[in-house]
Amino acid sequence: SQQGEEDPQALSIQEGENATMNCSYKTSINNLQWYRQNSGRGLVHLILIRSNEREKHSGRLRVTLDTSKKSSSLLITASRAADTASYFCATDDFRHTGNQFYFGTGTSLTVIP
Amino acid sequence: DGGITQSPKYLFRKEGQNVTLSCEQNLNHDAMYWYRQDPGQGLRLIYYSQIVNDFQKGDIAEGYSVSREKKESFPLTVTSAQKNPTAFYLCASRTSGSYEQYFGPGTRLTVT
Repeated sequence: SQQGEEDPQALSIQEGENATMNCSYKTSINNLQWYRQNSGRGLVHLILIRSNEREKHSGRLRVTLDTSKKSSSLLITASRAADTASYFCATDDFRHTGNQFYFGTGTSLTVIP
Repeated sequence: DGGITQSPKYLFRKEGQNVTLSCEQNLNHDAMYWYRQDPGQGLRLIYYSQIVNDFQKGDIAEGYSVSREKKESFPLTVTSAQKNPTAFYLCASRTSGSYEQYFGPGTRLTVT
């Protein structure tokens, strides 16, 4: 399986703190995406980082990518209770551009008010 | 109001029965995907389609079938051959110029 893994599996923090979650994957990629899933709902796209980029920002989100280590991290700054959700990374396969996507196992984030 | 819809939200079936899950999108997206999610797990790809009348198997296609007769619709049939069909099923779509997938709200299937 090419499925990636997120670390930690679960994370609990106080409102206002930063949350960092990591993703490791197995194959060469064209890009890596992060998605968010509220309990029992569909996923929502957060941010995409291409294989030739090392860091990307979007609002309170900061994503880094290290292709040599096949890993990425998602940082959520100044967390809010509304950030409580599961977060998944998704990668494509370098050999098959944009056809299939492989999702990690997810990090469950709880932000305590 | 553009988006991707799945129906029903909850579905209950007896073991041995086939069941079809609906997925419709009005985003004019070319590609559509079906994923399965088990509790505490990530998403696993069942089938995907890049164009009408064409689809490919994902990692866990056994016991499932799909059709893509219209660009807007990509129904998934869970057959009696699927050994453990109880799961949360998510449909997604994507335009050919982007990697971003848009997801439906999901269908939770329970087979007893």
